[in-house]
Amino acid sequence: GAGVSQSPSNKVTEKGKDVELRCDPISGHTALYWYRQSLGQGLEFLIYFQGNSAPDKSGLPSDRFSAERTGGSVSTLTIQRTQQEDSAVYLCASSPGSRNEQYFGPGTRLTVT
Amino acid sequence: AQSVTQPDIHITVSEGASLELRCNYSYGATPYLFWYVQSPGQGLQLLLKYFSGDTLVQGIKGFEAEFKRSQSSFNLRKPSVHWSDAAEYFCAVGVLGSGTYKYIFGTGTRLKVLA
Repeated sequence: GAGVSQSPSNKVTEKGKDVELRCDPISGHTALYWYRQSLGQGLEFLIYFQGNSAPDKSGLPSDRFSAERTGGSVSTLTIQRTQQEDSAVYLCASSPGSRNEQYFGPGTRLTVT
Repeated sequence: AQSVTQPDIHITVSEGASLELRCNYSYGATPYLFWYVQSPGQGLQLLLKYFSGDTLVQGIKGFEAEFKRSQSSFNLRKPSVHWSDAAEYFCAVGVLGSGTYKYIFGTGTRLKVLA
């Protein structure tokens, strides 16, 4: 079956612009996670959705970052007024529930120039 | 605070040699434990997981891991490494906090395999 998909695969943007990153989870997966992976770093947790609600937003690094999930499916991560330090690979994962393993998408590589 | 430590940033082994990747965690109870692999340009793929029961867990691609409660460790092993195992390996723990599970990943171990 279809896995987790993310779009775009690559995004180059100028400093100060807003960007939207999209994640399509596996159908039926209620849990959805966003992570950020910087060069040489591990995965940094950003936000977790259970259905459409986000019980854990503790990882969002600043108020420039926001995310939503509609219909218990697609999620969008928005970064406003991008900065160079936002450059990273943004990974999305979904899971049948919060107590299961996660299935990861291929990621979106964001470059802020 | 909960944490995951992968003390080896890089490991190089010869093809056919055995492999052990270390993972230690800090948490007051037994967490859910996972190993993921990330091949170049790919997303993360689950190798194996431990929730409860037998502390020796078998995974895909010939990998296994052993949970040792006394050492707060979950080391990944493979008896004979193949060139295709070259990748980055991440240990992760799932811990219960504020009614939901939170997942903490280690910083990864990059494996290089020599022919």
